Order: sequence, then C-alpha cells, then structure tokens
Amino acid sequence: SQTIHQWPATLVQPVGSPLSLECTVEGTSNPNLYWYRQAAGRGLQLLFYSVGIGQISSEVPQNLSASRPQDRQFILSSKKLLLSDSGFYLCAWSVRAGGVYEQYFGPGTRLTVT
Amino acid sequence: EDQVTQSPEALRLQEGESSSLNCSYTVSGLRGLFWYRQDPGKGPEFLFTLYSAGEEKEKERLKATLTKKESFLHITAPKPEDSATYLCAVQPTTSGTYKYIFGTGTRLKVLA
Repeated sequence: SQTIHQWPATLVQPVGSPLSLECTVEGTSNPNLYWYRQAAGRGLQLLFYSVGIGQISSEVPQNLSASRPQDRQFILSSKKLLLSDSGFYLCAWSVRAGGVYEQYFGPGTRLTVT
Repeated sequence: EDQVTQSPEALRLQEGESSSLNCSYTVSGLRGLFWYRQDPGKGPEFLFTLYSAGEEKEKERLKATLTKKESFLHITAPKPEDSATYLCAVQPTTSGTYKYIFGTGTRLKVLA
C-alpha cells in the first residue's frame, strides 16, 4: 500500500530564515505530487504540482519554490520566510481511478513564522 | 468561474441525530467530486469519489450523493468520533487532471 510522509511535523522559524519541507511517497512509482497550503477558514490553496522528476508547475507566484530531485521526493523551499508564509502545508499524491485522479494527503507540516 | 461552496460552515449534532452536509459546485464540466474528512492538525483523509449525477457511495455511517449541481454527505446516527471537518473538492473537465477546487469545509461536532 502507498504511504506518504512529511517532515517536520511542526516548525517555528523567524522571519527572513530559509525553509525546507520534505515529502516522500512509498509504494508507488512516478506519482503526481502536490504542495498545498491551508489557512484557517480557507480552502486548500494549490502551490505547486509535479508530474515527474524536475517538472514543477507553480500555481501561485510567491515566496516559495519546489523541487523534485527524485521520483518520490518533493521539497518545498524558501530563501527568506515572510510572516504570511505561516500555515499548514500539505503534500499530496494522486492516482488515476477511472476518469479522475484521486488525491491522497500526507499528515501535514504546521509552520509558524515569528 | 469554477467554484465550490460548502454549507453549513459548522454543525453541532447530538449523538444519533442524522443530518446532511451540502457541497454546491459551479463548473462548466465535472470530471469528479471528492469528499474528505480532516481531523484537527492532520491531513485530509480520502472518503469518496463521485463521477456522475445519481451516483451514491457509502462507508459506515456516511453516504455521499451527487446531482448536477450539488453533493450531499449524509451522516446517519452519528457518533462523537465522527466529529471532524468534512471537505468537498471538484475536478473540472476544463482544467488539467492535476487541478482540484476545494470548498472551505463543514466543521461537524457530535455531542455524546
């Protein structure tokens, strides 16, 4: 069965510091991978998605970047964090089921920028 | 513009009191509609995929239904452990297979 891991689970970082969040998927190959941010009272905001190694699509221009150095590894980064980067970050992967791609989410990382 | 609206925002039920959560969507074409359960501080847990109007899916006390404009998540005789936020998402046919539009969720609290 497939498993998705995210770390760290929680993170407190000062404004202006760098960020690196990691996501890995087990039990599947060549998955579509996604980074979302979830703010309180708001829907999930898609940040990046990737259909393969080195292939990254950005949905929202912002202070963040993503990379996919290996097939089942997805990394979210920032060179200098802003207060507005605080939130709950979710990694997801998708699998084709009929005519759609079903998404499955990781446990999330709670980021607080101080 | 493609849009998903969930109602109510919050719902309190007594244990055993059945109810329904609503997910209304506006898309030019629907590829699929998804329901998730999210516990506080955790990632969403996949529940159901619905593809076409008239379709129904069941899992324990949950039953999801789909029409051309909305989906309902029916909760029969809920228990306190059903307390969570329930999210609805759609995948429009007009976007790539990688885009999903999420609602803001319904926070369900079931009281013992």
